[in-house]
Parts: sequence; structure tokens; C-alpha cells
Amino acid sequence: EIVLTQSPATLSLSPGERATLSCRASQSVSSYLGWYQQKPGQAPRLLIYDASNRATGIPARFSGSGSGTDFTLTISSLEPEDFAVYYCQHRRHTFGQGTKLEIK
Amino acid sequence: EVQLVESGGGLVQPGRSLRLSCAASGFTFDDYSMHWVRQAPGKGLEWVSGISWNSGNLAYADSVKGRFTISRDNAKNSLYLQMNSLRAEDTALYYCAKDFEVRGPPDDNWFDPWGQGTLVTVSS
Repeated sequence: EIVLTQSPATLSLSPGERATLSCRASQSVSSYLGWYQQKPGQAPRLLIYDASNRATGIPARFSGSGSGTDFTLTISSLEPEDFAVYYCQHRRHTFGQGTKLEIK
Repeated sequence: EVQLVESGGGLVQPGRSLRLSCAASGFTFDDYSMHWVRQAPGKGLEWVSGISWNSGNLAYADSVKGRFTISRDNAKNSLYLQMNSLRAEDTALYYCAKDFEVRGPPDDNWFDPWGQGTLVTVSS
């Protein structure tokens, strides 16, 4: 079973700063890696699929990269509404444990 | 606009059963696999089960295999999850989610979008 490990567990940044979130797979998942955003009291929302493709309606400040075992979600300039929990997911349904992006 | 509305959650004793429903609208329901994903209070996400567009393929997480049964009624644009032999560790918010691709497999894809969830609490 593939295990996804996200780091850091919590990331404290200010609006306007750049955020870099990491997801590492226990074995190669090729490009079959996605990212979701979950705000408090809301359902998760798909941001990125197949490592680097933005889902419909997702702002261009969100980008994904990586392949094999190491993946990154980058938010180029944080907006107030971006502070949330982010999960990576392997296409065969395993989720990482999440990274909480909080306001510094 | 795609809408997914879950119902059927509640408080249930260990060992008992519960049936969740998800009413879908805003898309061609019988073109997509559908899923249940759960989230224990304060915890992360866990995929529970998926069903193909025509109910021909079913998939389950090991943690629920043999206890939960997923089904759908395409005539009613509805998804179901029959949960038997419930345990305390099944306590979670259960989300209904649409598959990302038309006629994708039920065990290999992204979830987009999700409903708002229905809370299941298993406790004596």
C-alpha cells in the first residue's frame, strides 16, 4: 500500500508570501498525485490533478509539480482565503495526513 | 451546477446498521462513478467505497469490506451506502463525491466535487 507523507504538518505564513507544501510517496506514483483544499466547516475541493493540472476554476496562483515520489504544491502569493488544510491524494485513493496552512 | 446532498446520518449503537443516501443533480449521473469518503472528527480523509457508472464494478477500503455495501439508482440520481456492524471507529462525517472523469473506474480517480457530508456517530 502506498503511503503519502506531507510536510510540514503546519505552515505559518503571511498574506502575500509564497507557500510550498510537500508530499512524498512511499513508492513511485508516476504523476498520479492530486491536491485538495479544505476550509473549516467545508468539504474538500480538488485543486490539482495528475501532479500539475489545475482543476476547473482554480486560480493560477496554485501550481503543482513533481513526479515519482516527490511532489510540491505552490501558492505563489497567499490570499486570505487560502489559509486552510491541504491534502495530497494518490489516484488510487490514498490520502496524506494534511498540511495546515495558517496565518502568521 | 453540480449538487450532492447527503442524508441518513445520526447516532447509532455499535453493531447496528445505518443507510446513507446522496441525492445528485446538475450533471448526467449515470455517466460517472461515485464515491463515499469519510473524515473522523479532527482527522484526515479516508476513501470508503466507489461504484462504477453502471454498478458493474464496486470497490471498498479494507476497513469496511464485508460490512458496508455501496449501491446506486440511476433512475433516481441517487447513491447509497448500507453500513452494517458499525463500530466506534466508523464515527465520521461521510461525504458523497463525484468521480472526475466520465465512466472512470471506481478505484482509480479524483473526487470532484464533494457534498457537504452527513455525520455518523457510533456510540452506546
